[in-house]
Amino acid sequence: NAGVTQTPKFQVLKTGQSMTLQCAQDMNHNSMYWYRQDPGMGLRLIYYSASEGTTDKGEVPNGYNVSRLNKREFSLRLESAAPSQTSVYFCASSEFPTSGYEQYFGPGTRLTVT
Amino acid sequence: QKEVEQNSGPLSVPEGAIASLNCTYSDRGSQSFFWYRQYSGKSPELIMFIYSNGDKEDGRFTAQLNKASQYVSLLIRDSQPSDSATYLCAVNANSNYQLIWGAGTKLIIKP
Repeated sequence: NAGVTQTPKFQVLKTGQSMTLQCAQDMNHNSMYWYRQDPGMGLRLIYYSASEGTTDKGEVPNGYNVSRLNKREFSLRLESAAPSQTSVYFCASSEFPTSGYEQYFGPGTRLTVT
Repeated sequence: QKEVEQNSGPLSVPEGAIASLNCTYSDRGSQSFFWYRQYSGKSPELIMFIYSNGDKEDGRFTAQLNKASQYVSLLIRDSQPSDSATYLCAVNANSNYQLIWGAGTKLIIKP
């Protein structure tokens, strides 16, 4: 039982390049989330998916797109990376609404955009 | 706007003492409250949750909830250097799937 996994762990992009961050969970959770974390800013929600086939914007969705490929996988795409997107990205999952709101996190992806 | 407030710290506590971390929230409809621990360079890890007013104990950790005053706290007894981390408070956003996060309190346990 690996929990929540994310790939890659580290990535350096040039401004304007695109990439997709991958996330998968093996806990049969319904809800999945993408956050970014910047120093002193705490966790900010980018997008979330309440169930397979649905996605909704969070607090900071601009510049990102997501896909809930199936119940296990939720990917985050940067179409044209900007230096302001340099951050640590965390994927999380939750049993909600089947059970409680608690979220479980993957190890994160450290992204640098130059 | 729904908010969760925490003192950013750092909070410095001697080894063996009680560390007390506090969090206030603005949404009176919130029903679920969480404490996460985040070591430097790592992801947040759930350590406690509390749903009802009062205290909830788990080992050296005690979560306290006061809905009337809209605060939740985390006490760590017999603090150890390994407890040094940033502690994040999170509260459910009433009637949706999101958690509202505080910015975290950095705790330093001094040997």
